[in-house]
Amino acid sequence: NAGVTQTPKFRVLKTGQSMTLLCAQDMNHEYMYWYRQDPGMGLRLIHYSVGEGTTAKGEVPDGYNVSRLKKQNFLLGLESAAPSQTSVYFCASSKRFEQYFGPGTRLTVT
Amino acid sequence: GIQVEQSPPDLILQEGANSTLRCNFSDSVNNLQWFHQNPWGQLINLFYIPSGTKQNGRLSATTVATERYSLLYISSSQTTDSGVYFCAVSTSGTYKYIFGTGTRLKVLA
Repeated sequence: NAGVTQTPKFRVLKTGQSMTLLCAQDMNHEYMYWYRQDPGMGLRLIHYSVGEGTTAKGEVPDGYNVSRLKKQNFLLGLESAAPSQTSVYFCASSKRFEQYFGPGTRLTVT
Repeated sequence: GIQVEQSPPDLILQEGANSTLRCNFSDSVNNLQWFHQNPWGQLINLFYIPSGTKQNGRLSATTVATERYSLLYISSSQTTDSGVYFCAVSTSGTYKYIFGTGTRLKVLA
């Protein structure tokens, strides 16, 4: 099992560009999450999903959109990137409450 | 919303020493996890421990939910234990985990 994988690992964007981060899990987990981690800080929840076709807002949802069209995939979109969105993005999944994390995507917006 | 505080913020140990990391939370929680973020940034699941005590090798954790704290014990520390330790909590009926700001541990050889 690959667990939780994230694509891409690194990305540099210019202000105003758009991109989609892909999270995939092969553990048949119902729940999936997107977090961001800024330097010296803990993780903050952006959006989460409790099942295929459902999404909900977390702590810091502004500027992001998500979709969960398939159970195994959770996509995070940035429609118009801003420098404040420079961060490391982590995806996680869980069967119920015990979360498992992917390796992260380092995004820089210039 | 719920506040999560971890202490100490930074800790430096000699290899072989023991340590206790603390996580305090401001409201009742139904779920609590401890994670280790290694120097390469990977988040490793240590314990899911909403209450009680668990042990895994040199690591153990205790959560006293009624008193709103959890402790992570590291015994006979090794250099590979270096990194940042996070606790994360969520309250009843929600999947929204709130993370503490972490304890940064450095173990010296």
